[in-house]
Amino acid sequence: DGGITQSPKYLFRKEGQNVTLSCEQNLNHDAMYWYRQDPGQGLRLIYYSQIVNDFQKGDIAEGYSVSREKKESFPLTVTSAQKNPTAFYLCASSIDRLAGLAGELFFGEGSRLTVL
Amino acid sequence: GEDVEQSLFLSVREGDSSVINCTYTDSSSTYLYWYKQEPGAGLQLLTYIFSNMDMKQDQRLTVLLNKKDKHLSLRIADTQTGDSAIYFCAEGSLRSSNTGKLIFGQGTTLQVKP
Repeated sequence: DGGITQSPKYLFRKEGQNVTLSCEQNLNHDAMYWYRQDPGQGLRLIYYSQIVNDFQKGDIAEGYSVSREKKESFPLTVTSAQKNPTAFYLCASSIDRLAGLAGELFFGEGSRLTVL
Repeated sequence: GEDVEQSLFLSVREGDSSVINCTYTDSSSTYLYWYKQEPGAGLQLLTYIFSNMDMKQDQRLTVLLNKKDKHLSLRIADTQTGDSAIYFCAEGSLRSSNTGKLIFGQGTTLQVKP
């Protein structure tokens, strides 16, 4: 079945460590996105990629990094520079950026990161 | 700047109608959406409405759009316990067409009591 897979579902990190969250899709979508969700807040865009080997900063990119070496994969690294990394992270994809604008986003099940 | 606001919590009894409200600030909004998030899961697109429409109905869901007041609502008829979830309002505008970026509200937690 086609879909988006995020891993791990739960992750614990010590302060000062970098961690990488995986996002893989087999939907043949060009565009991929990373959102952060905090309780009582909407989703905030961290990074997005419209095509392979290209990505752009979203609203809260500081302390995060991404790569898009393959169409199917868009991993997110939470670096030690991110001051408050404990959150629920959601990866999404759309056929292309215009489909993303039309709200046709397909979401993964999310990864919950906790900093100890 | 662009902003989307929702109340955080709504509680209804099973079988009643639920109305979840949302306000937005961007007058150039082209599309307005409702997403549903079940516990520990990602978001699923429920429905959307173009800004040149006033109403859209899809089975138990009715979306109403008041462009003058920049107010969007989602009505769920005959609410069931399976409707318990967080509902997000989101807007997209032509100004974000270069990014495909949606602006999300805070989410409204709907609690359905048996």
